Amino acid sequence: DAMVIQNPRYQVTQFGKPVTLSCSQTLNHNVMYWYQQKSSQAPKLLFHYYDKDFNNEADTPDNFQSRRPNTSFCFLDIRSPGLGDAAMYLCATSREGTLNTEAFFGQGTRLTVV
Amino acid sequence: AQSVTQPDIHITVSEGASLELRCNYSYGATPYLFWYVQSPGQGLQLLLKYFSGDTLVQGIKGFEAEFKRSQSSFNLRKPSVHWSDAAEYFCAVGALAAGNKLTFGGGTRVLVKP
Repeated sequence: DAMVIQNPRYQVTQFGKPVTLSCSQTLNHNVMYWYQQKSSQAPKLLFHYYDKDFNNEADTPDNFQSRRPNTSFCFLDIRSPGLGDAAMYLCATSREGTLNTEAFFGQGTRLTVV
Repeated sequence: AQSVTQPDIHITVSEGASLELRCNYSYGATPYLFWYVQSPGQGLQLLLKYFSGDTLVQGIKGFEAEFKRSQSSFNLRKPSVHWSDAAEYFCAVGALAAGNKLTFGGGTRVLVKP
């Protein structure tokens, strides 16, 4: 009964070739996040959507974009992947505006750049 | 800005022994604190959370954590570890405002000896 689903689990892309990672949720949460986690490091927030409002972190490279066509889906687009973009990408959701809230994470997509 | 420090990068513990993972946070207001566990190649699973009330919180898999405001700490404990507890553990602080963004500590990798 996965609630936050990321596809694919593993993605191999060529240097400079655009790639899209997808995330879907069945929780009807209004906030969705994308985190980047490099090997042996903590997850780092790239951006998040609060409903349709996009919120970019100040240090997220322009190479990373996101789309949220509806409540259930959110996409991470990497326009020109470099070797340094190889990482685990984690999608998460939460219900904003309520107490006792938490973030639910997907299983992640491991991106390899060749 | 909020920040989280996990002083121990690696901890090795014998199966059946007790475990304590340290977490110190910096945040200007009342923090929302979380512990997540990550098995290799997997996403993050919530172990427990603290928002308010009783400073000793119980989580899944036999874990507990204690919030100590005076020490800005939220240490995770388990009385008797199992081999399946070998994983990476992340402490995180969240801000209910600004989209519930999580800031993670650097993580502590736990190895369990037979």
